[in-house]
This record gives sequence, structure tokens and C-alpha cells, in this order.
Amino acid sequence: QKEVEQDPGPLSVPEGAIVSLNCTYSNSAFQYFMWYRQYSRKGPELLMYTYSSGNKEDGRFTAQVDKSSKYISLFIRDSQPSDSATYLCAMKNTNAGKSTFGDGTTLTVKP
Amino acid sequence: GAVVSQHPSWVICKSGTSVKIECRSLDFQATTMFWYRQFPKQSLMLMATSNEGSKATYEQGVEKDKFLINHASLTLSTLTVTSAHPEDSSFYICSASTGLAGGRGTDTQYFGPGTRLTVL
Repeated sequence: QKEVEQDPGPLSVPEGAIVSLNCTYSNSAFQYFMWYRQYSRKGPELLMYTYSSGNKEDGRFTAQVDKSSKYISLFIRDSQPSDSATYLCAMKNTNAGKSTFGDGTTLTVKP
Repeated sequence: GAVVSQHPSWVICKSGTSVKIECRSLDFQATTMFWYRQFPKQSLMLMATSNEGSKATYEQGVEKDKFLINHASLTLSTLTVTSAHPEDSSFYICSASTGLAGGRGTDTQYFGPGTRLTVL
């Protein structure tokens, strides 16, 4: 069983929709949680970085962490065609350590 | 924001030759750099972690003699694929870690744009 499981998708939504991307994990030692966006043939770009449980908002993006359920989510409001990409969740035990990545969810936002 | 560059972005080589990929942190010092491999429509596979001035730590199943990593300075790490074969064709991505001194109180990984290697 993988340490990090990510909803595989692909996901296709109309422009303006609210998107929910999710990951579950099994390692209770994970404390730092990240979401990356990766466009085709490009390196991942850090979107959100959260520590422990709670919500964090940045513009149209909201990251949610529920450590009791070992479940994290990324919400995208008012989705745009430019949001079309693969989204990767990642998490790690310590502040300065290697991250474990999910397999990614490919999102397509149709105009 | 922190910028990480990779060079070359795309390389084609003949089977049996060696290829060197450079990863540079342009506006910050990176004590730790990570090298990943990514196959089409698959996630990132961590190959090794390198710290400046010390030997890289390789993940299980990664041949250290085939994938040579050098982290000579706080801004440069190189990955050399030795005696490349077609099965080594992949997308190689590096990331550089800001460390806790990055000013944000958190250690953040910034990724390079990747290098697409095709071995004929």
C-alpha cells in the first residue's frame, strides 16, 4: 500500500466550477503538506504549503488538512482554463526532509 | 520567488554515451537538492537526495554507479547518466530546498523545469 493515495482522475469541469482534489495518507508522522501544480512537460510549481491540521487560503485556492482522518484537500474556486494541469499532493515528516508525492490528478477546465 | 534552472531542457543521445544534467538555484543557496524521474502520466519518483559537499543518498533500487550525482556548491548539483540506454529515457527533474534559513520558517522545495532525455 502506498503511503500517499491521490484520487486518480482525470477530472473535467466547466469553467467557473469549484474543484476538489483529495489525498489520503497512512503515515501519521506526516506534518507538512503541500500541493503542487504541474503543466505538461514542465516541473512542478508549489501552490500551497500547510503545517498540521486546518485550512489555508490563497486567492482562489484553499488547502485543507484533517490529520485525524489523514485526509487533505485542495479546493479551487471559480476554476479557469489556465488551471488545467496535473495537481500533486506531497507531504513530509519533518520540516527539512524529503517529500512523499501522490501520483497526481489531471484537471481539465473547459471554457 | 525562488528560481531553479536546469540545463539542458532536452537532450537526445546515442545508447552507451553519458549525459550530464545541471541543476542550479539562481537566487538562493540550496543546502539540499533532490533528483526525480518522471515517466509519462506518472508521478515523481525520487532518485536521490544530495547535500552540498557530501555524497548523495540514493533511494532503493537506484543504481548509484549509473546515476552519478555531484553537489559541488550551494547553487549547483549535477546528475550524470552514465552509459545511457533507451530504458533511461525519461523526464528528469531536480528540486532545491531553501532550508529553514529561507526566511519563511519552513523548508520549501522549488522545482526546476525538467530535462527530457531520449536515448536512441
